[in-house]
Amino acid sequence: GAGVSQTPSNKVTEKGKYVELRCDPISGHTALYWYRQSLGQGPEFLIYFQGTGAADDSGLPNDRFFAVRPEGSVSTLKIQRTERGDSAVYLCASSLLPGGEQFFGPGTRLTVL
Amino acid sequence: DQQVKQNSPSLSVQEGRISILNCDYTNSMFDYFLWYKKYPAEGPTFLISISSIKDKNEDGRFTVFLNKSAKHLSLHIVPSQPGDSAVYFCAASATSNTGKLIFGQGTTLQVKP
Repeated sequence: GAGVSQTPSNKVTEKGKYVELRCDPISGHTALYWYRQSLGQGPEFLIYFQGTGAADDSGLPNDRFFAVRPEGSVSTLKIQRTERGDSAVYLCASSLLPGGEQFFGPGTRLTVL
Repeated sequence: DQQVKQNSPSLSVQEGRISILNCDYTNSMFDYFLWYKKYPAEGPTFLISISSIKDKNEDGRFTVFLNKSAKHLSLHIVPSQPGDSAVYFCAASATSNTGKLIFGQGTTLQVKP
């Protein structure tokens, strides 16, 4: 079966623009996580979905960041008014159940010029 | 506030020898610990984990040791192989947080033939 996929693999945008990053989890996985990895750092938790609802969004850095998972499968991370500091690799992971083994996608490398 | 720390950014070992990667944590609520391996342009992949009720878990060439009193864990790879060259991340979670992972900064392991 297919693993977690993320699109696009690379995204270059200009400061102030809006971007959307997509995550397709493993089919049947109920839990979905977003992380952000800056250069030289480990992944940093952003938000966790259980089904369609955001169960924990404590890692979102500010209100420019928003994520949805309307049908309990695909998720979109949305960033408004991008800033250069948003440049990072955005990783998505899914697990069959909350607390289960997380399978990561390859990430989307976002560059804000 | 870095709750999970990997103080060695890099480690180089000879093929066939033991690799020891270390990790320290500060949050006593953490009760589950994991090691992930990451190759360039790929997402992290799960390697091995340990629950706080154990002090050792072994899987083939990989063994994780947990010292709760010292809030320290280590990953031993024996024997090391060139294909083990990657970035290794230590991660921790608290059961109450339903899978949200807190990662260390990572250690780059190079295994020389």
